[in-house]
Amino acid sequence: KNQVEQSPQSLIILEGKNCTLQCNYTVSPFSNLRWYKQDTGRGPVSLTIMTFSENTKSNGRYTATLDADTKQSSLHITASQLSDSASYICVVSAGPGTYKYIFGTGTRLKVLA
Amino acid sequence: ETGVTQSPTHLIKTRGQQVTLRCSSQSGHNTVSWYQQALGQGPQFIFQYYREEENGRGNFPPRFSGLQFPNYSSELNVNALELDDSALYLCASGAGGRLTGELFFGEGSRLTVL
Repeated sequence: KNQVEQSPQSLIILEGKNCTLQCNYTVSPFSNLRWYKQDTGRGPVSLTIMTFSENTKSNGRYTATLDADTKQSSLHITASQLSDSASYICVVSAGPGTYKYIFGTGTRLKVLA
Repeated sequence: ETGVTQSPTHLIKTRGQQVTLRCSSQSGHNTVSWYQQALGQGPQFIFQYYREEENGRGNFPPRFSGLQFPNYSSELNVNALELDDSALYLCASGAGGRLTGELFFGEGSRLTVL
C-alpha cells in the first residue's frame, strides 16, 4: 500500500534554532518527492521537489534530502523564524502510469519567540 | 499569490445535497488536480485532469466527479453529500500533465455538511 509517514507529528522550537523533519514512504513506482509548507487555513506552498537521482535540494533556509534506497527524506530548517510556524507536508508522486499524489499528514511546527 | 483562485471560499450544505466547487488555473497551466483535506489531516488526492481528460484518480467514490474546460478551469462535483465530506477542498494547477511539474495551490473551498 502506498503510504507516506511523517515525524514528529508536532514540534515546538525557539526562534533561531534549527530543526529537522522526517518523511518515510512506501510508494511505488516512485516519481518524485516534494515538501510543502501550509499555513493554517491556506493552500500549501511548494518548498522543494526532488526526483530519484537528487540527494539534496535547498530553498533558502530550507534544505531537503532524499535517500531513495531507504525511502527516506528530511527537511532541515536553519535559523528558524516565527513565520516558519506552519504545517510541513511531504508528498510523494507515484508514476508514471498511475498519476497519484500521496500526501503525508504533516508535521506541525511552532516557533516561539 | 499562486494565481489559482477557488470559489466559493466557504459553503454549508445538508446531507444528500449536491455541491459544485470551481477552480481557475494559473495562466498557461493545462493540468489541474483536486484534493480533500479533513481538519488536522494532510490532503488526499481526488483526481487530476490534463487537457480536459482525467488522467489520475485517488481512492474516492464515483459521486466525486470533475470537469476541465477548454480554458483549463475546472469543477469538482460531489453528489449525495455525506457528513464526512466536510473538509477543505484544494485545487492545484500545473503544466504538462506530468508528475514532475510544479503544483500551485489555491486557498481552498471549505465545505461544511450538516
